[in-house]
Amino acid sequence: ETGVTQTPRHLVMGMTNKKSLKCEQHLGHNAMYWYKQSAKKPLELMFVYSLEERVENNSVPSRFSPECPNSSHLFLHLHTLQPEDSALYLCASRPRGGGSDTQYFGPGTRLTVL
Amino acid sequence: AQKITQTQPGMFVQEKEAVTLDCTYDTSDQSYGLFWYKQPSSGEMIFLIYQGSYDEQNATEGRYSLNFQKARKSANLVISASQLGDSAMYFCAMREGLTNAGNMLTFGGGTRLMVKP
Repeated sequence: ETGVTQTPRHLVMGMTNKKSLKCEQHLGHNAMYWYKQSAKKPLELMFVYSLEERVENNSVPSRFSPECPNSSHLFLHLHTLQPEDSALYLCASRPRGGGSDTQYFGPGTRLTVL
Repeated sequence: AQKITQTQPGMFVQEKEAVTLDCTYDTSDQSYGLFWYKQPSSGEMIFLIYQGSYDEQNATEGRYSLNFQKARKSANLVISASQLGDSAMYFCAMREGLTNAGNMLTFGGGTRLMVKP
């Protein structure tokens, strides 16, 4: 276990629903990431937060809305999703500075959009 | 062009034997980092090993070693004495440039390793 938790682990939602994914870490890391992993595609970076400030938005549709209220928590708010948004959503964190490169991932939320 | 290429979509290895998973990368940066992650069927990405572009020695972590050939731009993962629990997807990833706040990683397509008893 890496110390990065994600809830829920599984989510099924309709296209008109609004839901949120949560990521939490108490490792003292202050950079956090959202990735999308679709079947048969490489892992895609969605958002990067450093010290609660968004530093990267990788051309993600506006139906995905991230929120980072503090350095331990990261949310991904979902609304009016499409079936092609069904995927495994992975959160990661890493310490900022100190020469450490490694990102540590949570277990992911498997999302199905009906 | 793909930045990270893993040419083996699937591989079999006999339990207790060694296996090499291939990874080639493409970058014009002098400073970069290479990572390997393991993803079991549960979905979690587990960090295995890291190699910095300026590291002169190949990285090793227990049964994992990274065969880093800088001139050939390859960073193959070697797993010694394979175990049934090694069956998983393996991803190679690269961080280009110096370590920074964003530290974005680019991932390869992955290799599915299956260990036979």
